[in-house]
Amino acid sequence: GQQVMQIPQYQHVQEGEDFTTYCNSSTTLSNIQWYKQRPGGHPVFLIQLVKSGEVKKQKRLTFQFGEAKKNSSLHITATQTTDVGTYFCAGPVSQGGSEKLVFGKGMKLTVNP
Amino acid sequence: KAGVTQTPRYLIKTRGQQVTLSCSPISGHRSVSWYQQTPGQGLQFLFEYFSETQRNKGNFPGRFSGRQFSNSRSEMNVSTLELGDSALYLCASSLLGAQREQYFGPGTRLTVT
Repeated sequence: GQQVMQIPQYQHVQEGEDFTTYCNSSTTLSNIQWYKQRPGGHPVFLIQLVKSGEVKKQKRLTFQFGEAKKNSSLHITATQTTDVGTYFCAGPVSQGGSEKLVFGKGMKLTVNP
Repeated sequence: KAGVTQTPRYLIKTRGQQVTLSCSPISGHRSVSWYQQTPGQGLQFLFEYFSETQRNKGNFPGRFSGRQFSNSRSEMNVSTLELGDSALYLCASSLLGAQREQYFGPGTRLTVT
């Protein structure tokens, strides 16, 4: 079945550093979504990208959808301790005439203050 | 608007028992999806209900079932519990369906002993 892979699975950074995490799909996606789950919390919707090559920014977070709509990236500038959590990407998969979201395994971010 | 609510928040059951979890979506959202989250498997889609009809189903055994009421509230039932069913069960509501942005509830932490 369709898979959504995230790399790396774990990332430890020093506060103030920049980093990028990636999401790759085995098939073309109609859209890609990103979620953040804080420790002990639940996933929170961050953003959806729909167009090929689309770039969206949310403060220090920059999201990009690949030209082929099979991959996406999340870049965080000047990481802060408030960025700690697990970041998931998700893409829709057709099944039985309807669609569901398939989530990647997530990228767990820890920040050293 | 009030967010997605789930009850109970924590549950301890023994093998062989059954359990019912409840979810109230955001007002106006007719789509309710259920997910199972475990450290090993990540977020896995169980099923989606839209206007009281199951619209999509994940790869889970028939012991997992659900329903949705006319007010969009949803319940999930797991019968004949197994140790491996221990997980965080998340409910998510959406305005447009399971393939679009999901708004998650806090989850029910189920422990099977």
